[in-house]
Amino acid sequence: KAGVTQTPRYLIKTRGQQVTLSCSPISGHRSVSWYQQTPGQGLQFLFEYFSETQRNKGNFPGRFSGRQFSNSRSEMNVSTLELGDSALYLCASSLAAQGTEAFFGQGTRLTVV
Amino acid sequence: DQQVKQNSPSLSVQEGRISILNCDYTNSMFDYFLWYKKYPAEGPTFLISISSIKDKNEDGRFTVFLNKSAKHLSLHIVPSQPGDSAVYFCAASAGANAGGTSYGKLTFGQGTILTVHP
Repeated sequence: KAGVTQTPRYLIKTRGQQVTLSCSPISGHRSVSWYQQTPGQGLQFLFEYFSETQRNKGNFPGRFSGRQFSNSRSEMNVSTLELGDSALYLCASSLAAQGTEAFFGQGTRLTVV
Repeated sequence: DQQVKQNSPSLSVQEGRISILNCDYTNSMFDYFLWYKKYPAEGPTFLISISSIKDKNEDGRFTVFLNKSAKHLSLHIVPSQPGDSAVYFCAASAGANAGGTSYGKLTFGQGTILTVHP
């Protein structure tokens, strides 16, 4: 059974640009969550999607957005990139939104210069 | 307000001995807890979980203990192996009773760096 797949693995962008990251969850998993990991803040929750609906959102500015498609694949978008957006972005999938294991992808390392 | 805390930034253990990693939480709505192992620049790998209706869960060399009254959980690794060297995160989630702000959200501790020496 394939795991969670995130693409691309690495990205370098310039301040002010926008970026789109992709996540393919484990087959059968309908809940997809996104996290940002930075050395100073640790792993922070961005948002969660279930059946194409965003059901929960963390404390991030509106420049961070996402969506989920009918096949449960998800994308997140960051517009008007800032240097502070440099981080490891992680996607996790689970069967349900609560009470079950969440499995993570390898992450996308975003560097903003 | 850090709702999940791992107070030990690092732990060093000899191969073959027991590793005990600790985690405290403050939010009484948390009812499901997970431990992850992580290497730099990679995603966390799920190790073991426990529901709040249990006080112990075991999977091979890994055992998680939950003390709800103390809001404390621990991960025991026996015996420890050099390949266990990594950063370990505990995470917690709140059930549906916590409302919409709980959906799909794991709250993580800051991590503990485990080093197992041969």
